Amino acid sequence: GAVVSQHPSRVICKSGTSVKIECRSLDFQATTMFWYRQFPKQSLMLMATSNEGSKATYEQGVEKDKFLINHASLTLSTLTVTSAHPEDSSFYICSARAETSYEQYFGPGTRLTVT
Amino acid sequence: AQTVTQSQPEMSVQEAETVTLSCTYDTSESDYYLFWYKQPPSRQMILVIRQEAYKQQNATENRFSVNFQKAAKSFSLKISDSQLGDAAMYFCAYRPSARQLTFGSGTQLTVLP
Repeated sequence: GAVVSQHPSRVICKSGTSVKIECRSLDFQATTMFWYRQFPKQSLMLMATSNEGSKATYEQGVEKDKFLINHASLTLSTLTVTSAHPEDSSFYICSARAETSYEQYFGPGTRLTVT
Repeated sequence: AQTVTQSQPEMSVQEAETVTLSCTYDTSESDYYLFWYKQPPSRQMILVIRQEAYKQQNATENRFSVNFQKAAKSFSLKISDSQLGDAAMYFCAYRPSARQLTFGSGTQLTVLP
């Protein structure tokens, strides 16, 4: 099946710094990728839809200046959490959508801890 | 707006027994897909089973099967011969054609030895 990787799997950063999370589709091209945030024992909350070559579409309530998304190629999307604060600590999951089937394949997630 | 409702936050089942997880959804679309995802403690999302709305036949994948009631907008997951490895959070999800997934709130399944 299609594989999506995320890097890093875990990151700890200090408050006020920025951290970048990469999402790659390894064996297929993805014009569209999705970024989710998940709190413990809760569902996945869609943050934004990342489109290759164009600006990301953010869900209501998600600060676009805080969560910068870049989708520069058909296999790579990045999420940068800028000026991170402890309340940004969470589990972030990306998903890439296959072009032909529209199926979404999920990365293994990134646990962000802001101290 | 489409919504997906999972009314059972937690369920438990004895090993080797059968358990059914409930899911209802609301939509005005006619063309859509329904999914059950499993999220084990590793938190990797794993697709368990999918159902195309236009298919009347219920999907089956080994010990996993669904009961798809389109008119009632119900999509339950049955796990037969439950195994310890089935313990996980299960999410029901809905996707209109060519759009993104909408997830339910999840059901935490515990398998008792």
